[in-house]
Amino acid sequence: DIQLTQSPSFLSASLRDRVIITCRASRGIGNYLAWYQQKPGKAPKLLIYAASTLQSGVPSRFSGSGSGTEFTLTISSLQPEDFATYYCQQLNSYPLTFGGGTKVDI
Amino acid sequence: QVQLQESGPELVKPSETLSLTCTVSNGSIGGYYWSWIRQPPGKGLEWIGYIDYSGSTNYNFPLTSRVTISLDMSKSQFSLRLTSVTAADTAVYYCARHGDLIYYYMDVWGKGTTVTVSS
Repeated sequence: DIQLTQSPSFLSASLRDRVIITCRASRGIGNYLAWYQQKPGKAPKLLIYAASTLQSGVPSRFSGSGSGTEFTLTISSLQPEDFATYYCQQLNSYPLTFGGGTKVDI
Repeated sequence: QVQLQESGPELVKPSETLSLTCTVSNGSIGGYYWSWIRQPPGKGLEWIGYIDYSGSTNYNFPLTSRVTISLDMSKSQFSLRLTSVTAADTAVYYCARHGDLIYYYMDVWGKGTTVTVSS
């Protein structure tokens, strides 16, 4: 199985901060990586796919980069609605796996 | 736009079978892959398995012996069956659509349904 390690697991930030979350894969996955945002009691929401493609309707302050084994999700200016938990997911091989999550809190 | 809705019992007894259905509305079930994902209380996401439009399946290995995912195109539904459940199967269960057959990302999710395994 491909393991995904997210860092940090917890991030304390302020409004308008630039936030960077890292996801490292245990072996190369090309650009078969997606990022999701999950708020308490809600289903995950797709933010980024193919490592860097912004899903339709997602604000442009979100961006993704990377390929192979190292990926990043960047929020350029943190907004109140961005406080949530973020997960990366690899879709290169089965079983599909998720990172452990990064909780972004005030 | 397409919507997914999970349904099924909220409480299942240990050793019994968990059965959930995901109904697809405002869109076609054909031409896509469909997955089940679960999230134990306070924990991360675990992919359970998928079924594609032809009925082919792929399951997460630790669950393979207990999981069956099936498709009913006439009802625009796909279902999850998990046998011999234990407390470790207590989780929120989500169904999701794979929106692309190249990158397979999950672009539409149901709201989730909480299943508790307890006697």
